[in-house]
Amino acid sequence: NAGVTQTPKFRILKIGQSMTLQCTQDMNHNYMYWYRQDPGMGLKLIYYSVGAGITDKGEVPNGYNVSRSTTEDFPLRLELAAPSQTSVYFCASSYSSGQGANEQYFGPGTRLTVT
Amino acid sequence: KQEVTQIPAALSVPEGENLVLNCSFTDSAIYNLQWFRQDPGKGLTSLLLIQSSQREQTSGRLNASLDKSSGRSTLYIAASQPGDSATYLCAVRGFNTGGFKTIFGAGTRLFVKA
Repeated sequence: NAGVTQTPKFRILKIGQSMTLQCTQDMNHNYMYWYRQDPGMGLKLIYYSVGAGITDKGEVPNGYNVSRSTTEDFPLRLELAAPSQTSVYFCASSYSSGQGANEQYFGPGTRLTVT
Repeated sequence: KQEVTQIPAALSVPEGENLVLNCSFTDSAIYNLQWFRQDPGKGLTSLLLIQSSQREQTSGRLNASLDKSSGRSTLYIAASQPGDSATYLCAVRGFNTGGFKTIFGAGTRLFVKA
């Protein structure tokens, strides 16, 4: 298994541009998540999904959009990029049977700079 | 609102020392608590996951405990090695946030001197 993969690894955007961060997992996990990590800080949840076709907002959703058309893929869309979105973005996945949530597996991250 | 705090923010110890990292949370209604390791410029690696019904988990030189009533977890690292140098993050998944949202602490940056 490749686990959780993210592309691209690095990206520089100009203010006002848009882009999509890709995330794919091959572990058949039902839950997927997007986090951002600012320097010296913990991770903050942007959006999450409990299954294909179902998404919900996390702590810091403004400026982002997501979709979940398949179990494997959970892309994060940035519209009108702003300097405040400069961060490292992590995608994660986990399996939940309803009896409790299992451990999360993380991708390697995408380092985004908006100038 | 769940808040997760990790103390200390940074720690430097000589090789071979046993050490404890602390994590506290404000809402005891949790599904589980997970400890991660993050190396500079890298993603997160899961170390230990403690379900709400458990009191501790062990993996090699690592032992994590959970006390829900006091809102605390500790990560014990025995016989520390320079390769243990990294940032350690704890993350809590809670009921009151729908059980699906995970709140992270800011991490403890550990440096083990050879």
